[in-house]
Order: sequence, then C-alpha cells, then structure tokens
Amino acid sequence: NAGVTQTPKFQVLKTGQSMTLQCAQDMNHNSMYWYRQDPGMGLRLIYYSASEGTTDKGEVPNGYNVSRLNKREFSLRLESAAPSQTSVYFCASLRGANVLTFGAGSRLTVL
Amino acid sequence: GIQVEQSPPDLILQEGANSTLRCNFSDSVNNLQWFHQNPWGQLINLFYIPSGTKQNGRLSATTVATERYSLLYISSSQTTDSGVYFCAVDDYKLSFGAGTTVTVRA
Repeated sequence: NAGVTQTPKFQVLKTGQSMTLQCAQDMNHNSMYWYRQDPGMGLRLIYYSASEGTTDKGEVPNGYNVSRLNKREFSLRLESAAPSQTSVYFCASLRGANVLTFGAGSRLTVL
Repeated sequence: GIQVEQSPPDLILQEGANSTLRCNFSDSVNNLQWFHQNPWGQLINLFYIPSGTKQNGRLSATTVATERYSLLYISSSQTTDSGVYFCAVDDYKLSFGAGTTVTVRA
C-alpha cells in the first residue's frame, strides 16, 4: 500500500518553462489536494478536487492548472514557471471528513 | 475562509519536559487534524479530533469546538519530537495554521 505518490521529487526549471507534477493515491479517496509550503508560511492550498471530475480553486491558484484524470490521479501544471513558484509542493488525499494523507513532497526551483 | 492561528510560533524544550501547543480557529469546523512535519519534511497525521480528547502514547489532544480551540500536549519530550506541528481545519478545504516549531534539546 503506497499511499500518496508524487513525482518528481526534485525539479529545476528556468523561468517560462512548463512542467507537470503528478500525484496518485491508491486508497480509494474521493478528495485530493495540492498545497505549497514556503518558509514560515505553513501550507497553502492551491487547488483541490472533492471528487473525480471536479476541481476548485484554493487560496493561491494563480499560475497553476490542475487535472483530476480519474479517481486515483490529480496533476498540477505550471504553464510558465516563475521564480515566485519556487516552493515545496505537497499532494494529499482525504476520505470523507477524515484523515488527510500526504505525499512525500516535490521540491521545485525556478531560476 | 476560516482563519487558523497557532501559538507559540517557536518552542525550545529540554528533553523530558512537557509542553502545550494551541490552535485557535475563527469558525465552527467539522474536521480538525494535527500534523507533525519532521526535519526531513515528511508530514504525518497525529490526530483527527474535531471534538473531545484523544491520546496516543506521549501525545494527546483536546478540541473544545464550542470555544474554537484545540490543544496538543507533548509529555516527556524526546529529541525525535522536534519538527513543526500544524493544525488544519474545515471539511473539504483544509486550512493550515502557520505551525509551531518545536526544538527538543538533549
């Protein structure tokens, strides 16, 4: 049982490049989330998906797009990366109003 | 959205000491969770505790939903307790506090 799997773990981009962070969960959870974590700021919600086929904006959605491909997978795309998007990104999933399970994180640096 | 405030922002403990971390939130919630982020960045759920009291080893948590706060107790702290402790609230858009950074010194 792998839980929540994120790829890649590390990525360096140049300003303007695009990339997609992948996330998959094998716990049959309905809800999935993307957070970013910056020093001293806790975790801020970028986008979430309450169920397959639905997505909603969180606190800091600008510059990102998401796709809930199926119940297992929820991807985060940066179309034109900016240095302000340098951060650690966490994917998480949730079953009902219950325990949130996180992936290991993806460290992104935009030069 | 719901505002979440955690205190204190930083806590330095001597090994073996006890401590209390607090989480205040601005509205009624159906979901409240406590997490520990270890020095390697891994986020581990400690408690799902929208109300009441729970205990897990040296850690315990109490949420008083009517007064909009939750407390996390660490007893007989160990160096492995070091890291950042977050509380998160709400049903589907879990909002996190800024965290309490705990350093336990041997």
